[in-house]
Amino acid sequence: DQQVKQNSPSLSVQEGRISILNCDYTNSMFDYFLWYKKYPAEGPTFLISISSIKDKNEDGRFTVFLNKSAKHLSLHIVPSQPGDSAVYFCAASEMNSGYSTLTFGKGTMLLVSP
Amino acid sequence: EAQVTQNPRYLITVTGKKLTVTCSQNMNHEYMSWYRQDPGLGLRQIYYSMNVEVTDKGDVPEGYKVSRKEKRNFPLILESPSPNQTSLYFCASSRRLAGGGEQFFGPGTRLTVL
Repeated sequence: DQQVKQNSPSLSVQEGRISILNCDYTNSMFDYFLWYKKYPAEGPTFLISISSIKDKNEDGRFTVFLNKSAKHLSLHIVPSQPGDSAVYFCAASEMNSGYSTLTFGKGTMLLVSP
Repeated sequence: EAQVTQNPRYLITVTGKKLTVTCSQNMNHEYMSWYRQDPGLGLRQIYYSMNVEVTDKGDVPEGYKVSRKEKRNFPLILESPSPNQTSLYFCASSRRLAGGGEQFFGPGTRLTVL
């Protein structure tokens, strides 16, 4: 049973426009969420996170929104740049496990075209 | 430079031949973890360690062993590799998992078991 779901395997966006990547989760005990970006032949790199006590966290061009009632979070990239083309993983964790494990989604491949 | 290193980066082996993938971090992180990435399955946790001599199973521990004798090193051991362990492996470390303690990933080890 997949607890973190990224239902869009891929997304194509034009440079300068907004990219919206979505993530849904089923485990109501998750209380910390992260987004990672992964380029080919490299390990994932941390992008942005949000605690369940917040509904929004912003860092430059990247904003993560959390809707706890819908068990849904999204990553907004504005404006999108060709260098943003990568696979984006949503991940979740819970305090009950001491935040000892991260559960990842399957990833969404973002392609930003010039 | 703060980093997580893995060796080897690429490995082709045969069924049943024991192998070890090394992982080392220079950030004095307490937490270390191993993941495997497979097409259509995203990143799945194999084992993790909260500190020296403290290890625990992740989601897919079967066929793997780990040890944490030193803080900086967390080797992944495959005692008798099988073809279904062909995958891309990532080691990660963090000071703490949540509250801003995002995980730093190594560059990955691509393992093929024939």
